[in-house]
Amino acid sequence: EAQVTQNPRYLITVTGKKLTVTCSQNMNHEYMSWYRQDPGLGLRQIYYSMNVEVTDKGDVPEGYKVSRKEKRNFPLILESPSPNQTSLYFCASSSSGAQLGQPQHFGDGTRLSIL
Amino acid sequence: SQQGEEDPQALSIQEGENATMNCSYKTSINNLQWYRQNSGRGLVHLILIRSNEREKHSGRLRVTLDTSKKSSSLLITASRAADTASYFCATPAGGSYIPTFGRGTSLIVHP
Repeated sequence: EAQVTQNPRYLITVTGKKLTVTCSQNMNHEYMSWYRQDPGLGLRQIYYSMNVEVTDKGDVPEGYKVSRKEKRNFPLILESPSPNQTSLYFCASSSSGAQLGQPQHFGDGTRLSIL
Repeated sequence: SQQGEEDPQALSIQEGENATMNCSYKTSINNLQWYRQNSGRGLVHLILIRSNEREKHSGRLRVTLDTSKKSSSLLITASRAADTASYFCATPAGGSYIPTFGRGTSLIVHP
């Protein structure tokens, strides 16, 4: 089954404790991305990648890191989490860039609470 | 950067009624997509419309695109309680090669 898998689904942690949210897709997609969703603000782009070793900043990259060492994986790293990073996070993948209109496939989301 | 904006923010209707939501965007685009999100879950792609298309249908969904007004609409006909969800439009925007999403319309369909 084609899918994007995120882990963990839920996490409560404390300020400053490094964490990683994993994302894996089994569709051989080149393009992968991370969004955060906050009430009233919709989905905002954090980072995205068009291929292995190629990553770009989105609209809200501060406080986040990503890596793309393998095509299928695109982990999101919070090196020193802060309460303003409490949010619902989504990973997505697609076979081409937005200009070609290929659909984004989303994971089920990771709800992070930073205390 | 926000490209598309959905309107209304919230919509409450009875089962069997039609639901219409709109999306306005700022810059020229070559395609627009609509997605659905059940509460707290990942978004699911519904339909794509390209800039050379004016209308597209998929089951009970009808999407229109007016590039002169920079707007799109999503019509759900004969709505069901299971259509209760948030609906987002997504467009290519700026220098990003991933789509930009609006804030969404929250649809509630009462049985």
